[in-house]
Amino acid sequence: GENVEQHPSTLSVQEGDSAVIKCTYSDSASNYFPWYKQELGKRPQLIIDIRSNVGEKKDQRIAVTLNKTAKHFSLHITETQPEDSAVYFCAASGGEYGNKLVFGAGTILRVKS
Amino acid sequence: GAVVSQHPSWVICKSGTSVKIECRSLDFQATTMFWYRQFPKQSLMLMATSNEGSKATYEQGVEKDKFLINHASLTLSTLTVTSAHPEDSSFYICSHPARDTDTQYFGPGTRLTVL
Repeated sequence: GENVEQHPSTLSVQEGDSAVIKCTYSDSASNYFPWYKQELGKRPQLIIDIRSNVGEKKDQRIAVTLNKTAKHFSLHITETQPEDSAVYFCAASGGEYGNKLVFGAGTILRVKS
Repeated sequence: GAVVSQHPSWVICKSGTSVKIECRSLDFQATTMFWYRQFPKQSLMLMATSNEGSKATYEQGVEKDKFLINHASLTLSTLTVTSAHPEDSSFYICSHPARDTDTQYFGPGTRLTVL
């Protein structure tokens, strides 16, 4: 079945710097890759997603890139702000498990002001 | 996007009791809902898929007799944790897929603490 690995587990950056979080997946048939931001005690919030027919997608300070051949995708946050501090999860779906989401282990992002 | 609610938002119970968590889709008829469990400082793990009008399907390692799921209507799915124990203490979150996309809409979660 699908396995999603996420790195790093923690990431500290200075305010204004960029942050990059990387994920790899195992099921080559997966075709949907969302990224979620979760604050303590809250629900995951979709911040950006990408489908397998696209290599890159951008929304203001957030971008996601997908390399289907290598089976990895990355989240890029530019000009980080303290309010970006949270836990970020990548996920994958569409392969063997259909529309079930398989999540990465998460990355704690700390933006220091 | 769709609105998903959960009730209660938090619950504390004694070991051995049962707890029911409700997940409602407020503006969308959901034939499928997903139930996740999230232990502290860990990721979301899918427990089961709730199917309206039929039996739920459970992920490997999840006891179907302990985590009872009922999806009797298109707007309500319930998860009952039977004979709860402290190790069942967790954050339980439901979601349902959007109609025409891959997006999932998550409920606000229920924090269960078993004493």
